Amino acid sequence: DAGVTQSPTHLIKTRGQQVTLRCSPKSGHDTVSWYQQALGQGPQFIFQYYEEEERQRGNFPDRFSGHQFPNYSSELNVNALLLGDSALYLCASSSIGANQPQHFGDGTRLSIL
Amino acid sequence: DQQVKQNSPSLSVQEGRISILNCDYTNSMFDYFLWYKKYPAEGPTFLISISSIKDKNEDGRFTVFLNKSAKHLSLHIVPSQPGDSAVYFCAASEGQGGSEKLVFGKGTKLTVNP
Repeated sequence: DAGVTQSPTHLIKTRGQQVTLRCSPKSGHDTVSWYQQALGQGPQFIFQYYEEEERQRGNFPDRFSGHQFPNYSSELNVNALLLGDSALYLCASSSIGANQPQHFGDGTRLSIL
Repeated sequence: DQQVKQNSPSLSVQEGRISILNCDYTNSMFDYFLWYKKYPAEGPTFLISISSIKDKNEDGRFTVFLNKSAKHLSLHIVPSQPGDSAVYFCAASEGQGGSEKLVFGKGTKLTVNP
């Protein structure tokens, strides 16, 4: 049973560019959440998708956007990249109403030069 | 404004002894608390959780205690093993469902020495 998978593993971009990160949830899960983990910090909630709609959003600017597809997979898009966007981006999946903890992928390490 | 605080960045214990990791929170609306363990180059792995209607939850060597009046929870690992060496994150959410957004602390790096 595959867990949460994320791609790519690592990514290097320059300031001003745009990036797309991808996530496939654990089998049986219908909800995908994205978190940003800066160095030395805990993960910070970006947003959550359920039924292809943004269900909840954290305190992140509109440069951060997402999408969920009919197969429950999800993308995180970041426009106009800043140096401060360098971080580990984690995807977590869960099942609405199942009262089970979120399962995390191994993340995408994004470096901005 | 940090709503979940782990005030000890690191903790070192001897193999076989007890490890106690602490977490404080400020948001009284939190009613579901979790501990995740994270190894380098891996994502966080769920360890144990507790609902606000309980004050203790056990799973093998891991026990979580919740003191709602003090807004404090702790994770006890007994006995500690070298494989427990990792960064431990405390997280909290509003709502009992596991899909609610999680608010994390900064983590405590646990080192268990053989």
